[in-house]
Amino acid sequence: EPEVTQTPSHQVTQMGQEVILRCVPISNHLYFYWYRQILGQKVEFLVSFYNNEISEKSEIFDDQFSVERPDGSNFTLKIRSTKLEDSAMYFCASTSGGGGRTGELFFGEGSRLTVL
Amino acid sequence: DAKTTQPPSMDCAEGRAANLPCNHSTISGNEYVYWYRQIHSQGPQYIIHGLKNNETNEMASLIITEDRKSSTLILPHATLRDTAVYYCIVRPNSGNTPLVFGKGTRLSVIA
Repeated sequence: EPEVTQTPSHQVTQMGQEVILRCVPISNHLYFYWYRQILGQKVEFLVSFYNNEISEKSEIFDDQFSVERPDGSNFTLKIRSTKLEDSAMYFCASTSGGGGRTGELFFGEGSRLTVL
Repeated sequence: DAKTTQPPSMDCAEGRAANLPCNHSTISGNEYVYWYRQIHSQGPQYIIHGLKNNETNEMASLIITEDRKSSTLILPHATLRDTAVYYCIVRPNSGNTPLVFGKGTRLSVIA
């Protein structure tokens, strides 16, 4: 079964450093998402992406965050200058947006970011 | 904010049916009821969704009340591997609308 893959599985960084989290969505999917989950808390929506532009973003997704689909396969989340409170599990998701299971989002296994 | 209300936790004996309730009294006519689960710290996993008719797949059954203000997810024969946080989410059936997760129900399946 096709799956969403994310790298790295775990990244440790110093406060103030830039971090790029990578995702390879399922190949025929058109809609892409980033979510985060701080330890012990709920899964929070960050941003959705369609047709090479941001469709929707939450209040969390401030100027420190950016997303990109540079080569038609990868979907990246960049945090420009990490803060301690950015420590979380980051999940990428994708969906085809149509067909029999319309609306089913497929999630990756996540990238754990630890900011020291 | 999530538009659903779920009990924070439930226990179920292994092999028995797990019935997880969800209230969504403000659901709109174009919104579907989705169920996802998250096992430990893994990525959320789709289970099932429906609009107004009851639905069944290989994982679970979804019972939606006639007024659509509540629903129940049924795992017919719970196993230890079904221990997870279960999320009930209402969402238009559009590819672009993000899922908004609440706190869900932590289901513990007990041997």
